[in-house]
Amino acid sequence: AQSVTQLGSHVSVSEGALVLLRCNYSSSVPPYLFWYVQYPNQGLQLLLKYTSAATLVKGINDFEAEFKKSETSFHLTKPSAHMSDAAEYFCAVSNTNAGKSTFGDGTTLTVKP
Amino acid sequence: GAGVSQSPRYKVAKRGQDVALRCDPISGHVSLFWYQQALGQGPEFLTYFQNEAQLDKSGLPSDRFFAERPEGSVSTLKIQRTQQEDSAVYLCASSLEAGGALAKNIQYFGAGTRLSVL
Repeated sequence: AQSVTQLGSHVSVSEGALVLLRCNYSSSVPPYLFWYVQYPNQGLQLLLKYTSAATLVKGINDFEAEFKKSETSFHLTKPSAHMSDAAEYFCAVSNTNAGKSTFGDGTTLTVKP
Repeated sequence: GAGVSQSPRYKVAKRGQDVALRCDPISGHVSLFWYQQALGQGPEFLTYFQNEAQLDKSGLPSDRFFAERPEGSVSTLKIQRTQQEDSAVYLCASSLEAGGALAKNIQYFGAGTRLSVL
C-alpha cells in the first residue's frame, strides 16, 4: 500500500521568496516519487521525479526536491518564486511494478507581487 | 498532436444519463491510465491498460463505470446511469510502458474531461 500526505493545502509566498511545498509518503516498496504542476483547466505536467539515483533531484523551472528516506519526505523547493509559479502542485508515489500513481490532495501556491 | 487528447473537454449530463469519455494517448504508448479528480482533491486511480488488456480496474467505484481500449490505442471510459457524485474531472494519462526503466514509466496527462451531473 502507498499513500501521500501534502502538508498545507495553501501556501502563499512573495515574488522572489523561497518556495517550500511539503510531501510525506508511505510505501511498502522502494518508491518512485513525482511532483506535478497543474495550471487551471490543464492536465498535470511533470516537474521532477525521484529514481533512486540521487537524493537531490533537479527539475524544470529551477524546482528541486530532496528524498529523505529517514523522514519519508520528498519536499519541493525553489529558491526564488515567480508569478508564473502560481498553480496547484501534486506529489505522487508510484509502485514500480504497477505503474499507477497515488497522489496527494495538492497544494495551491499563490505568489504575491 | 503530440500530447494526450481527451474529448469532450466539458460534459453536462442529467442524472441517470449515460456518458462516454474519450482518450487519445500519445502514439506508440503502451500503457494508459484513467484517473478521477474530484474538486479540491488529487487524482485517484481508476483503471489501467497495457495495450488492449485491462490489467487493473481496482479503482473503478462501481459497476456503472466501464473502460475499454479495444485496439490498444484509443480508450473510452463509460459511465452508466450517472449520479451527482460522479461529477469530477476525468484524467487520462499514457506512458511508453509501465514498470521497467523509469524513463519509460513517466505518465503524460491529458487536460481532462470535466463532467457535471445535474
